[in-house]
Amino acid sequence: GDSVTQMEGPVTLSEEAFLTINCTYTATGYPSLFWYVQYPGEGLQLLLKATKADDKGSNKGFEATYRKETTSFHLEKGSVQVSDSAVYFCALKEIQGAQKLVFGQGTRLTINP
Amino acid sequence: DAGVTQSPTHLIKTRGQHVTLRCSPISGHKSVSWYQQVLGQGPQFIFQYYEKEERGRGNFPDRFSARQFPNYSSELNVNALLLGDSALYLCASSLVQGAAGELFFGEGSRLTVL
Repeated sequence: GDSVTQMEGPVTLSEEAFLTINCTYTATGYPSLFWYVQYPGEGLQLLLKATKADDKGSNKGFEATYRKETTSFHLEKGSVQVSDSAVYFCALKEIQGAQKLVFGQGTRLTINP
Repeated sequence: DAGVTQSPTHLIKTRGQHVTLRCSPISGHKSVSWYQQVLGQGPQFIFQYYEKEERGRGNFPDRFSARQFPNYSSELNVNALLLGDSALYLCASSLVQGAAGELFFGEGSRLTVL
């Protein structure tokens, strides 16, 4: 079945550092790919998405590019802030069938001032 | 406009009991999905309902059931609770069925089974 594998956490960085969180996927079809963020005590929020190969999703300074050849969707940000501290989830959704997201295990990010 | 609302926010049950969790989607959204998020893991898909019909079911035992009402709100029921059912239960709504529909999540119902 479909699956998503994320970089193990937790990840701790200093403010203004460069961030990469790796995500690879296995899917039978051509899924849409997503990054969700979960702040403490809150639900999931969509951070960015890409629906086809070579698409780049971006939002709030975060970017991720849908790489079909490497089945990857790595999350990057050039300069992180303390407010970026949260848990980040990579996910995929198949085009066919139920509206079902398959999530990775999540990566906890802590940014120190 | 209000987002996805879930109730209760927290609850404690004992093994063998039954629980009902409730979800109100964003106004106008006809699709509701349920996810289970065990501590330290990513959410796992339980059910999706669209226009009051079940459109998908994840790999969960028959103790888990759900329904969607004419106003598109939804209930998730879990019978014969086990310790392993302790988790954050997330509800998500979407305007449309299919891959194009963006999912909006509620803040969840945290269930503790003792």
